[in-house]
Amino acid sequence: DQQVKQNSPSLSVQEGRISILNCDYTNSMFDYFLWYKKYPAEGPTFLISISSIKDKNEDGRFTVFLNKSAKHLSLHIVPSQPGDSAVYFCAIGQGGSEKLVFGKGTKLTVNP
Amino acid sequence: DTGVSQNPRHKITKRGQNVTFRCDPISEHNRLYWYRQTLGQGPEFLTYFQNEAQLEKSRLLSDRFSAERPKGSFSTLEIQRTEQGDSAMYLCASSPGWGNYGYTFGSGTRLTVV
Repeated sequence: DQQVKQNSPSLSVQEGRISILNCDYTNSMFDYFLWYKKYPAEGPTFLISISSIKDKNEDGRFTVFLNKSAKHLSLHIVPSQPGDSAVYFCAIGQGGSEKLVFGKGTKLTVNP
Repeated sequence: DTGVSQNPRHKITKRGQNVTFRCDPISEHNRLYWYRQTLGQGPEFLTYFQNEAQLEKSRLLSDRFSAERPKGSFSTLEIQRTEQGDSAMYLCASSPGWGNYGYTFGSGTRLTVV
């Protein structure tokens, strides 16, 4: 059973618009939440994170939102750029373990 | 430092053969991780080292899999008697400290078992 779900395999947006990527999780013990970006033929690259004591974290064009009651995580990219085209993975960790549980990923395409 | 280095980038092997992959982490990172990624899936945790000590292992890591980090620097992942189901991308990552989940991943070793 998947503990971390990214229900949209793909997303296409126009350059300059907002991209919203979503992630749902099942285990309320998870307490650290991250997004990774992956280009073809490369390993995932860490993008942004948030701990369970916050509900929002911002870094430039990227903002992560956490809704603990809904067990929902989202990544907003504003404005989207063609270079943002990649596969985005949400990943979740739990205190006491170094293990991350990843979703299956969402392929984002930003059209010029 | 050029980041996390993994060798080889690609490996094709016949079923039943043994294979070994190497990972060189960022030099000041004392934590090292192995993950496996199959097509259409996210990375799945295999194991974690703090310095030379292997502190966590996934149930995915069957008896045919063994990982080492003998001097707390580079690590090797060996798969014995490979099976077609072992075909995947094997990713290594490192991080500098406890609870720092912002790993730096290598580019991975793609294994194909024929």
